[in-house]
Amino acid sequence: AQSVTQLDSQVPVFEEAPVELRCNYSSSVSVYLFWYVQYPNQGLQLLLKYLSGSTLVKGINGFEAEFNKSQTSFHLRKPSVHISDTAEYFCAVSPSTGTASKLTFGTGTRLQVTL
Amino acid sequence: ETGVTQTPRHLVMGMTNKKSLKCEQHLGHNAMYWYKQSAKKPLELMFVYNFKEQTENNSVPSRFSPECPNSSHLFLHLHTLQPEDSALYLCASSQEVTTNEKLFFGSGTQLSVL
Repeated sequence: AQSVTQLDSQVPVFEEAPVELRCNYSSSVSVYLFWYVQYPNQGLQLLLKYLSGSTLVKGINGFEAEFNKSQTSFHLRKPSVHISDTAEYFCAVSPSTGTASKLTFGTGTRLQVTL
Repeated sequence: ETGVTQTPRHLVMGMTNKKSLKCEQHLGHNAMYWYKQSAKKPLELMFVYNFKEQTENNSVPSRFSPECPNSSHLFLHLHTLQPEDSALYLCASSQEVTTNEKLFFGSGTQLSVL
């Protein structure tokens, strides 16, 4: 079994400030990790994913995330946010073998960017 | 535009109604999914179809009935729903059903059951 914890349900931040959205997971097997973003009135879009290799993963829109196996974390970061980054962000984990039905999502973090 | 289109965007239905949600993908993918998104809860996988065949049913009540006539279309037939079934229903597709695949989501159908 696996689980994902996004401790922060909401993160308010001013435009051009840095942001970190936290994600911790638990799993008894090796995993793949994902961040999806959901803009208002839209479905989810993949921001980035970690499958293997470098633990620092770069995604779209200037976001990046770092896989930390010892701390079982996959925090999402952006050095300078924009108003258009206001959205819901979902961390997800799946075992590295098996089917997509094993993909487990967190409860989401709402990023609110203001001027 | 993700290439996955869902209709209708909004649906209000009574507990005795029968309605259907439609999903269409123009990406040439082989796998399609139904998810339920409720406030403050993780996305819940409902059904998985691979090459038109249902491969996963995540203990979904029988009042939800999926149909996949071909790899591009997916339906969710609804009947005698309960108020707690009110949620955003998301359709997704991927090239394969392996766990490293990127999912492409539609914008969802916001369902309200009165």
